[in-house]
Amino acid sequence: SYGLTQPPSVSVSPGQTASITCSGDPLEDNYASWYLQKPGQSPLLVIYEDSKRPSGIPGRFSGSSSGDTVTLTISGTQAVDEADYYCQTWDSDNVVFGGGTKLTVL
Amino acid sequence: EVQLVESGGGLVHPGGSLRLSCAASGFTFSRYYMSWVRQAPGKGLEWVANMDQDGNEKHYVDSVKGRFIISRDNAKNSLYLQMNSLRAEDAAVYYCTRVFDYNSRDHWGQGTLVTVSS
Repeated sequence: SYGLTQPPSVSVSPGQTASITCSGDPLEDNYASWYLQKPGQSPLLVIYEDSKRPSGIPGRFSGSSSGDTVTLTISGTQAVDEADYYCQTWDSDNVVFGGGTKLTVL
Repeated sequence: EVQLVESGGGLVHPGGSLRLSCAASGFTFSRYYMSWVRQAPGKGLEWVANMDQDGNEKHYVDSVKGRFIISRDNAKNSLYLQMNSLRAEDAAVYYCTRVFDYNSRDHWGQGTLVTVSS
C-alpha cells in the first residue's frame, strides 16, 4: 500500500501556528505538494516540491520534509485559512493523495 | 490567465458511458502533462489519470483501468476522459488539472459532476 496518512482534523487559534503532517513511504523518495480546498471551491496549490510556494500564496504558508513525513505549517493563522488540506505525492506511475485534514480556526 | 473548463458531466445509469472534456487556455497546452482528479461527495481527492504531452504515456488508478481512457487533442487545446462501464462508486466531481513540476497540480478547473444512478 502507498497511502498517505494525515490527521483528520487540526484546530488552531487565530494568530497561532498550525502544523499538518502527512506520512507515507513514497515521501522518502518523492516530493510532496499541498493543496487547500474551501467548501464549494476547487483545490488550490499552496506548496510544491516539499517547501516551495507558488506565486500569490502568502508567506505564512511553509512546508518541510523529514524522512517519510512532510509538514505544512501556517504561521499567524487567519480565519480565511480554515479549509481542508491535502498532501500529494507519487509512487512509480501512481499519484496519491492523503485523506485530507480539516483545519478549524477558533 | 490559465483557465481549465470542464464539461460533459451529468446523470448516467450504472454500466453507461460518459465523455468529459476540458478546454484549456492561457498557456501552451502541448507543453504540459495533464491529469484528471475526482472527488466523491463529502470525500477526499482521488487521482484518476495522467497523460504526457504527446499522448504516448498514460497512467490510471487501478479502479478505472480498462474502463476509462484519457486522451488529448493538442490542436484543440483539449483533454478528455472517456468513462465506460460506470459504477456507483465513480460518482464524483471530476477536475481537470495541469501538472507542474514534480507531479504537482498548479491549476484546476471548476469541476464537472458525474452522477451514476439508476
